Amino acid sequence: QQQVKQSPQSLIVQKGGIPIINCAYENTAFDYFPWYQQFPGKGPALLIAIRPDVSEKKEGRFTISFNKSAKQFSLHIMDSQPGDSATYFCAAISESGSARQLTFGSGTQLTVLP
Amino acid sequence: KAGVTQTPRYLIKTRGQQVTLSCSPISGHRSVSWYQQTPGQGLQFLFEYFSETQRNKGNFPGRFSGRQFSNSRSEMNVSTLELGDSALYLCASRGAGLASNEQFFGPGTRLTVL
Repeated sequence: QQQVKQSPQSLIVQKGGIPIINCAYENTAFDYFPWYQQFPGKGPALLIAIRPDVSEKKEGRFTISFNKSAKQFSLHIMDSQPGDSATYFCAAISESGSARQLTFGSGTQLTVLP
Repeated sequence: KAGVTQTPRYLIKTRGQQVTLSCSPISGHRSVSWYQQTPGQGLQFLFEYFSETQRNKGNFPGRFSGRQFSNSRSEMNVSTLELGDSALYLCASRGAGLASNEQFFGPGTRLTVL
């Protein structure tokens, strides 16, 4: 059962464009929603994260929008650059005691053309 | 602070063999989680260890096991390797307290089963 659905699978934008990646979740017990960026040959790196009591969070050129009622959240990358070309994963954490298990979306391969 | 380190970085094994992967978390972090990343299944949670105790386990067969030592270093073991076990195995560590949801990934161990 895929608990976090991510779209699109791939995305190509021109430099300066604003790619948007969308995620939807099913489990209402999720209480923390991070986004990870992964370059080839590297592990995922935490980019930005949001909690469900906040509708938007910005860090530099990255913005998360969160819609709790729709159980959806999205990542916007402002003024995208070729160096942003990577695979992006949304994720959600469900708490089980003191455990923290990340449930990942399927990933979006972003290409920013120069 | 040094990041999460994983050894070895690359490994080639044959079917039926067993393998042990190692992970050293960020200094001061007591939780270590393991994930499997494949093109077909994406990123899937294997298990989490905290203070030498397994706190949570994903939906993987018993051939996959792990342990954590008193210095928080962790190992995972896969016995009777199958071709489908070829994957990037990622380790993530997290600290305690308010920032405990932030998980930091290592570069991974690329396992190829022939």
